[in-house]
Amino acid sequence: DSGVTQTPKHLITATGQRVTLRCSPRSGDLSVYWYQQSLDQGLQFLIQYYNGEERAKGNILERFSAQQFPDLHSELNLSSLELGDSALYFCASSVEERGAAETQYFGPGTRLLVL
Amino acid sequence: AQKITQTQPGMFVQEKEAVTLDCTYDTSDQSYGLFWYKQPSSGEMIFLIYQGSYDEQNATEGRYSLNFQKARKSANLVISASQLGDSAMYFCAMREFLYNFNKFYFGSGTKLNVKP
Repeated sequence: DSGVTQTPKHLITATGQRVTLRCSPRSGDLSVYWYQQSLDQGLQFLIQYYNGEERAKGNILERFSAQQFPDLHSELNLSSLELGDSALYFCASSVEERGAAETQYFGPGTRLLVL
Repeated sequence: AQKITQTQPGMFVQEKEAVTLDCTYDTSDQSYGLFWYKQPSSGEMIFLIYQGSYDEQNATEGRYSLNFQKARKSANLVISASQLGDSAMYFCAMREFLYNFNKFYFGSGTKLNVKP
């Protein structure tokens, strides 16, 4: 158990709908990262938050948005869903200290299926 | 240029034998970290091993070791005495510290199949 939690584990929805994925980082971790992994693909970095502020953006669609709340949990909102959005969405967290053995710890992922 | 390159999309290894998964990286940062993650078919991403750029010794964690060759910019994962449960996707990753925050890069992965 990495200490990162994600809910829900599975989500089935229809095209055009909107969903919210939730992530709670490990205790003490200030940074949250979101990744998308389509079938048999590598990890696509979406967005990073640090202590409530957006730090970096990757290949995130305009239909997607995220935020990190004062208690450091984060939500990824996906709207106007398309079939191609079906994927495994990971949240990862890290402490964010230079020089430390800094690594990312991943949550179990949310498997999204858009029908 | 790719930050992390994994040139082996798939590999087979006989149970109980050792296997090396290749990873090369590209950075101009002096202080960086290298990681390997395992992703079994169940989907979770499991952290395996970490190597810091200033670490002189190769990192080891049980049956996993990281063959770190700094001049060649390679960070190969060696799994000794392969087990059937090692069949999974393996991702190499790198951390740079830029503009006061960490940035992580992932390779495209190597799918390892362990044969009985």
